[in-house]
Amino acid sequence: SAVISQKPSRDICQRGTSLTIQCQVDSQVTMMFWYRQQPGQSLTLIATANQGSEATYESGFVIDKFPISRPNLTFSTLTVSNMSPEDSSIYLCSVEGGGETQYFGPGTRLLVL
Amino acid sequence: QKEVEQDPGPLSVPEGAIVSLNCTYSNSAFQYFMWYRQYSRKGPELLMYTYSSGNKEDGRFTAQVDKSSKYISLFIRDSQPSDSATYLCAMREGAQKLVFGQGTRLTINP
Repeated sequence: SAVISQKPSRDICQRGTSLTIQCQVDSQVTMMFWYRQQPGQSLTLIATANQGSEATYESGFVIDKFPISRPNLTFSTLTVSNMSPEDSSIYLCSVEGGGETQYFGPGTRLLVL
Repeated sequence: QKEVEQDPGPLSVPEGAIVSLNCTYSNSAFQYFMWYRQYSRKGPELLMYTYSSGNKEDGRFTAQVDKSSKYISLFIRDSQPSDSATYLCAMREGAQKLVFGQGTRLTINP
């Protein structure tokens, strides 16, 4: 399985600011995914990021709010822009595993005041 | 109605008990079924993966899929305090996105 790291592991931010979350994988992968996990809730897919192309966003998520970069096959960033308290959540990146599975990073815990 | 339903618990059982965790789903096209374990303040960890119907066993864990009833289960035998975590079911149709259940919070009491 892939080893995935995320930075920062947690942060406390002020309303109206932006935070960029980094995701690093120890092997080259075609597809990377960004999820949000709100307290007590399930995982919700934000977008899928392929290297060399624009990210594909799920319904309810827009590029202006969650811009994503995918500069190479081992790295991606997710920015949470113009944050509000409703953006307080855990943000997770994942990569494709074998047999249609996915492996997840440790998550970034975000609190917006 | 959610595509995947999972009782959030919490579920508390004594050490050594057999634990049964379940999910129901509405999309009959789901083919791939997974169980993830998520410890507090950690990311989800893939525990079991099953394609189509049937059972799969790995040590103390057994995953069961009943496509006719649209029902999947995870059984944990001889449960240990280290099994205390949130268990998430997930499933997908082909290359479509993964759909997760809400997660069941499990505590094993010594």
